[in-house]
Amino acid sequence: DGGITQSPKYLFRKEGQNVTLSCEQNLNHDAMYWYRQDPGQGLRLIYYSQIVNDFQKGDIAEGYSVSREKKESFPLTVTSAQKNPTAFYLCASSTPRGTTEAFFGQGTRLTVV
Amino acid sequence: QKEVEQNSGPLSVPEGAIASLNCTYSDRGSQSFFWYRQYSGKSPELIMFIYSNGDKEDGRFTAQLNKASQYVSLLIRDSQPSDSATYLCAAYRGGGGNKLTFGTGTQLKVEL
Repeated sequence: DGGITQSPKYLFRKEGQNVTLSCEQNLNHDAMYWYRQDPGQGLRLIYYSQIVNDFQKGDIAEGYSVSREKKESFPLTVTSAQKNPTAFYLCASSTPRGTTEAFFGQGTRLTVV
Repeated sequence: QKEVEQNSGPLSVPEGAIASLNCTYSDRGSQSFFWYRQYSGKSPELIMFIYSNGDKEDGRFTAQLNKASQYVSLLIRDSQPSDSATYLCAAYRGGGGNKLTFGTGTQLKVEL
C-alpha cells in the first residue's frame, strides 16, 4: 500500500535532548513538509523540501533541522534550542504542481518531560 | 496579517442544515486551495481542492473560490453529527516559492 509513515507515534524526551522524528513515503512524491500543531491550533509550517538535497525554512524553523538525502525520507530533528517542543508533529508529501492533495502521516506526539 | 485566515469558531449548526465555512488568503500568488477535515488527535484528510474561480461540487460538499476577493468557502449540505470536526483551509503557492500554508481551522459542531 502506498502511503506516508511517521514514527514513532508517541515520543517522550527530556529537556536538553535532541530527538529525531522519522517520515517515510512510498508515493514517489517530490515535495515533503513538516508541520507543528499545538492544541486547538492550526498547522504551522516548519520546513519543506521540493527535491532531494534541497529544503527551505517555513514559518517556525528555529530550533529544528531537517535533511533530504533520499526522495522517500524527510527526517525532522527537534533540537534543545527549541524552547517549547511539546506538540503534535505532522509530515506530509505531495507532487509539487499544487493541484493534487498533500497526504499526511498519522503524526508524532512529542512530549518533553 | 496571516497568510490564510479562518474564524476559529466553534460554528454550531443543527443536523440537516447547511454549514458554511469561510477562508481568506493574502498571497495573490496562491494557485490552489484545499479543504481538510481533522478529527481530534488525528491527521488531516482531504475533502476537496479547487483552483478555478467558481464552484466545485462533490456529494454534500461544495467549494467556492473567488480569486478577486481572495476568498474560499466550503458548504456542507445536510450536515451530520459525523461532520463535527475541525476544518482546515490551505493555500498552495507554486512558481519557485512552493509551499502549502494552512489556516488555524474552524471547529464545526453539528447538533442533534
